[in-house]
Amino acid sequence: GAVVSQHPSWVICKSGTSVKIECRSLDFQATTMFWYRQFPKQSLMLMATSNEGSKATYEQGVEKDKFLINHASLTLSTLTVTSAHPEDSSFYICSGASGSQKEQFFGPGTRLTVL
Amino acid sequence: AQKITQTQPGMFVQEKEAVTLDCTYDTSDPSYGLFWYKQPSSGEMIFLIYQGSYDQQNATEGRYSLNFQKARKSANLVISASQLGDSAMYFCAMREGRGWDDKIIFGKGTRLHILP
Repeated sequence: GAVVSQHPSWVICKSGTSVKIECRSLDFQATTMFWYRQFPKQSLMLMATSNEGSKATYEQGVEKDKFLINHASLTLSTLTVTSAHPEDSSFYICSGASGSQKEQFFGPGTRLTVL
Repeated sequence: AQKITQTQPGMFVQEKEAVTLDCTYDTSDPSYGLFWYKQPSSGEMIFLIYQGSYDQQNATEGRYSLNFQKARKSANLVISASQLGDSAMYFCAMREGRGWDDKIIFGKGTRLHILP
């Protein structure tokens, strides 16, 4: 299957700072990328869907001004958690999809801890 | 209302036995896809199997098969001859619509423990 990478794999930051997470599709062009958040022992909750070159579509209850998503190219999407707080601590997973493949390809995830 | 329901929060199964993980779904869209993913403790999401709503036959991938009962809106995952390495979290998921790049919604998951 196709490969999606995420960077960093884990990050610890102080409350009030911003953190950027990168999601890259390494061997395919991801026309659409998805960002999920997973709290411990819970399921993946879709945060937003981003299409290359256009604004992201956020799920209900997700603050778009807090979770900034940029999908600047067909191989890169970024999620910036602005003014992070301890309750933002979570596992963030991205996935990429293209119109030609039946499955989404998931990145390995980024564990964010906000102190 | 939940679109994907997994009623088994946890299961314990003896090694080499077959195991069925339940999943029911709810949609009014005639075009949809159903997925099963495995998530080990490392956190990565591993794609296991896919079933399209128009597929006539149940999907199979090695030791994994999907028992698709469309009228009952159920898509149970069957793992034959379970192995210790099958211990993980398993998520059923659904994509509504025809586009391969439509969003996928996940169920709450079932934690499977394989006993030696």
